[in-house]
Amino acid sequence: NAGVMQNPRHLVRRRGQEARLRCSPMKGHSHVYWYRQLPEEGLKFMVYLQKENIIDESGMPKERFSAEFPKEGPSILRIQQVVRGDSAAYFCASSPARNEGYTFGSGTRLTVV
Amino acid sequence: AQRVTQPEKLLSVFKGAPVELKCNYSYSGSPELFWYVQYSRQRLQLLLRHISRESIKGFTADLNKGETSFHLKKPFAQEEDSAMYYCALTSYDKVIFGPGTSLSVIP
Repeated sequence: NAGVMQNPRHLVRRRGQEARLRCSPMKGHSHVYWYRQLPEEGLKFMVYLQKENIIDESGMPKERFSAEFPKEGPSILRIQQVVRGDSAAYFCASSPARNEGYTFGSGTRLTVV
Repeated sequence: AQRVTQPEKLLSVFKGAPVELKCNYSYSGSPELFWYVQYSRQRLQLLLRHISRESIKGFTADLNKGETSFHLKKPFAQEEDSAMYYCALTSYDKVIFGPGTSLSVIP
């Protein structure tokens, strides 16, 4: 079992470009969570998804950010028109059921230049 | 509102000394609490959860509902314990993390 796979590990984007972060959950896990870790800050919840459904997006910025978890394929966190303040580490976690222990991916470090 | 606080951003202890990482929470209901650890250049991983009442790598944590605390303790710190530690609380549909404490064990 390869665990939670996130790619890319590092992503550099210029201001105004789009960033796409991918997360493949562990086999058998249908619950995916995205967190953002800003420099000098802890993990902030962004969104919780189950297959094809957004369950809780209370931590998502209202503009430019979107997430999906299609029936087939990885979960995608999409950031449009990136700004410098979006630079952070984005972590994905998955679980087999709601509130079962999370398994985390290695994260994607987004740098906006 | 559900919230997790970790008052110490940085904590340094000498090897062999006791260590306590503080965690307080606010939650209306019966909380489920966790400690996660992130070693340098590694992914975040679950260290322990209060319902299992187990000791992992010498660490223990007791839920004190009266003080709304879930402090992480280890009697004798080791150099390999140096890492970032996050206290976390299960809310209805997600886990809420505290800001984290960076533990540095000085040889």
